[in-house]
Amino acid sequence: LAKTTQPISMDSYEGQEVNITCSHNNIATNDYITWYQQFPSQGPRFIIQGYKTKVTNEVASLFIPADRKSSTLSLPRVSLSDTAVYYCLVGDSDYKLSFGAGTTVTVRA
Amino acid sequence: EAGVTQFPSHSVIEKGQTVTLRCDPISGHDNLYWYRRVMGKEIKFLLHFVKESKQDESGMPNNRFLAERTGGTYSTLKVQPAELEDSGVYFCASSQDSTVVYYNEQFFGPGTRLTVL
Repeated sequence: LAKTTQPISMDSYEGQEVNITCSHNNIATNDYITWYQQFPSQGPRFIIQGYKTKVTNEVASLFIPADRKSSTLSLPRVSLSDTAVYYCLVGDSDYKLSFGAGTTVTVRA
Repeated sequence: EAGVTQFPSHSVIEKGQTVTLRCDPISGHDNLYWYRRVMGKEIKFLLHFVKESKQDESGMPNNRFLAERTGGTYSTLKVQPAELEDSGVYFCASSQDSTVVYYNEQFFGPGTRLTVL
């Protein structure tokens, strides 16, 4: 499994855009990139998944450069309720998820 | 639609006792998974059911852990006897058949917090 590296924590303010970059230098050809979000006392929740270029949904955008050695999760105009841990997962299987330490994002008023 | 539910939400037991955790997946989801986070470490995969069959149990730590999914609906995870290092949060997740969807998103339950004293 490709190892991922992401910042331990990030602080932001309401209304700002938050960008979390994940490094995955050893990503394999068949791997795709998935992000999960976890609120306190809850299980992780799927946010977005992509293979290359840009993917956007109602929650976030995922930017993946051509070499796929990194990816950036972008959360537009965050609110207090976006305070959570965000996990970057890389793999070719959607059955056996491998979670790292994640990035704790704290949104302040 | 109801999400993944887990019972109990919290369990406090003494070392050597037995505990059984239950997970009810989303109706119609053939895939069921167990994960756990112990002592502030990362969330780790335990095992994967497809219907009632164990597809992958490579993450089960030892033979004190027994998972079942009789009838392919709900699942139980029994720890017998429990040890101190088993304390943590046990998550259950479920997902649809991968032949139906492009990406097999896993839906997680809220977890069961197990404390072994």
